[in-house]
Amino acid sequence: NAGVTQTPKFRVLKTGQSMTLLCAQDMNHEYMYWYRQDPGMGLRLIHYSVGEGTTAKGEVPDGYNVSRLKKQNFLLGLESAAPSQTSVYFCASSYRGMGSGANVLTFGAGSRLTVL
Amino acid sequence: GQNIDQPTEMTATEGAIVQINCTYQTSGFNGLFWYQQHAGEAPTFLSYNVLDGLEEKGRFSSFLSRSKGYSYLLLKELQMKDSASYLCAVKDSNYQLIWGAGTKLIIKP
Repeated sequence: NAGVTQTPKFRVLKTGQSMTLLCAQDMNHEYMYWYRQDPGMGLRLIHYSVGEGTTAKGEVPDGYNVSRLKKQNFLLGLESAAPSQTSVYFCASSYRGMGSGANVLTFGAGSRLTVL
Repeated sequence: GQNIDQPTEMTATEGAIVQINCTYQTSGFNGLFWYQQHAGEAPTFLSYNVLDGLEEKGRFSSFLSRSKGYSYLLLKELQMKDSASYLCAVKDSNYQLIWGAGTKLIIKP
């Protein structure tokens, strides 16, 4: 029972390069989320999805794109990486949506991205 | 603006009790969460409060006062494995989660 799996766990990019972070969940959750976590700041929502084929912008979507072609997968793309995107990225999923009371998030282990 | 305030760091002794406070100013309120995050790991869910009062779950309890915009997480019988960051998050009127920066709890023997 893997839960939420993120790949890769670590990546170093040069400014301007592109990359994709993959998130996979095996809990049949409808809702999936991408967050970034920076020192001294709370988690910030980048994009989220309320079901297969849907995506929506969160609090800090600029510079990122996402896709949810399959229910179990949620991809986060950086088309042209910038040093400001150096962060730890967490994927999460939930059984219930944000409007449904205690929608507990299950997080992946995180992906640490450094942009030089 | 919306704001969640937590102490940056706290230190406590193994076997003791510690209270981690969280105050919030948000546009509306639809529930408050506490998550635990060990260094280099994923946050994991601890508790959820939507009504005023105390919710007890084993060694951990969480309290909420909506009128004061205040919550605390109480950890009893501290163990070394409780060394972690504790994240407070509030769901606002748009059901968006606003996260605090977290409180790093250091347990000393």
